[in-house]
Amino acid sequence: EAGVAQSPRYKIIEKRQSVAFWCNPISGHATLYWYQQILGQGPKLLIQFQNNGVVDDSQLPKDRFSAERLKGVDSTLKIQPAKLEDSAVYLCASSPRGPGETQYFGPGTRLLVL
Amino acid sequence: DQQVKQNSPSLSVQEGRISILNCDYTNSMFDYFLWYKKYPAEGPTFLISISSIKDKNEDGRFTVFLNKSAKHLSLHIVPSQPGDSAVYFCAASHSTNAGKSTFGDGTTLTVKP
Repeated sequence: EAGVAQSPRYKIIEKRQSVAFWCNPISGHATLYWYQQILGQGPKLLIQFQNNGVVDDSQLPKDRFSAERLKGVDSTLKIQPAKLEDSAVYLCASSPRGPGETQYFGPGTRLLVL
Repeated sequence: DQQVKQNSPSLSVQEGRISILNCDYTNSMFDYFLWYKKYPAEGPTFLISISSIKDKNEDGRFTVFLNKSAKHLSLHIVPSQPGDSAVYFCAASHSTNAGKSTFGDGTTLTVKP
């Protein structure tokens, strides 16, 4: 069974530029999560989807971050415009049915904003 | 306000000995706790979990203990192996949305041969 796929693996941009990350969850997984992990800290949940609906986005900085999960499968996370403090690893995770189940993480996208 | 704290950034133990990783939480609404392991350049991998109705859960070499009155949990690894060297994250959630986990900042475990 293929794991959670993310691309790109690395991205370097300048502040005020835009960037997008893509996630393909494990086939059949209904729940998808995006996390931000700043160096030296634990992952912080940004947004949680159940199929193509948003369950929780309370920690998503909505003035610059957006995410969508069209057709309840793949998802994209966008930052526009990026700030220096957005430098982090962006992790995508999925779980089979509901929020209470084990989350399977992708390898993450490492973003550096200069 | 950090609701889940791992106060030891690093821990070093000898192969074959016990590793004990600690985690404290402040939010009494948390009722489900998890431990994840993370290797460099990889995403976290689920290790073991415990519900607040239990005080211990065991899976092979890994045991998690929960002390609700102290708002403290610990992960015991016995015996420790060099392959256990990784960053360990403690996470907590509430049953109203068990998927919304709050993570600690992690403890880097080094197991020396």
